[in-house]
Amino acid sequence: AQTVTQSQPEMSVQEAETVTLSCTYDTSESDYYLFWYKQPPSRQMILVIRQEAYKQQNATENRFSVNFQKAAKSFSLKISDSQLGDAAMYFCAYRSLTGANSKLTFGKGITLSVRP
Amino acid sequence: NAGVMQNPRHLVRRRGQEARLRCSPMKGHSHVYWYRQLPEEGLKFMVYLQKENIIDESGMPKERFSAEFPKEGPSILRIQQVVRGDSAAYFCASSPGTGGRYSTDTQYFGPGTRLTVL
Repeated sequence: AQTVTQSQPEMSVQEAETVTLSCTYDTSESDYYLFWYKQPPSRQMILVIRQEAYKQQNATENRFSVNFQKAAKSFSLKISDSQLGDAAMYFCAYRSLTGANSKLTFGKGITLSVRP
Repeated sequence: NAGVMQNPRHLVRRRGQEARLRCSPMKGHSHVYWYRQLPEEGLKFMVYLQKENIIDESGMPKERFSAEFPKEGPSILRIQQVVRGDSAAYFCASSPGTGGRYSTDTQYFGPGTRLTVL
């Protein structure tokens, strides 16, 4: 079974600065997807970014980018030019490509606060 | 194009009552997933359904919980004889399910239903 670990429960960043959120995972599979979801106080789950494991290039979406280290099973999220609206819980998630199972396995999340 | 709809947003039940949570997927989506989020925890997979079929229910408790996704109408997560431990946020997600093995088939989430059991 796959597991996703987010070992930092909380982080804080100054507005306009850069912050990196860590995530590690454990799997014996070679093909899979990784995701970062954001959950603001409204509790709506919002997709931030996704990474296909077969791609070597790190995914980027505007101010959000990932550092995907497949051998180390590490998938960190970097937020540049942090904004107040980035304050939320961030969840790392894994999706297997084996068989018909497309469920997401989530980490426990990290609470990010942004200081004005 | 409306997003994933869930209702009710908040549901209060007394122990022993039944809870029915509804999810309408995004237009054109035929795959529905239910997840549960306990306080201070990440989301945990419960069940994966396609129209009229349960594909994977490995995360759903064997007793008191059931789910369906009929040919017409929303997906329903039903919890019978609720207990305090069922208090949680229940999220539904949907995906198109048409992209094949290497499709990202991103799951789009609804706003969740917060169930409180008194």
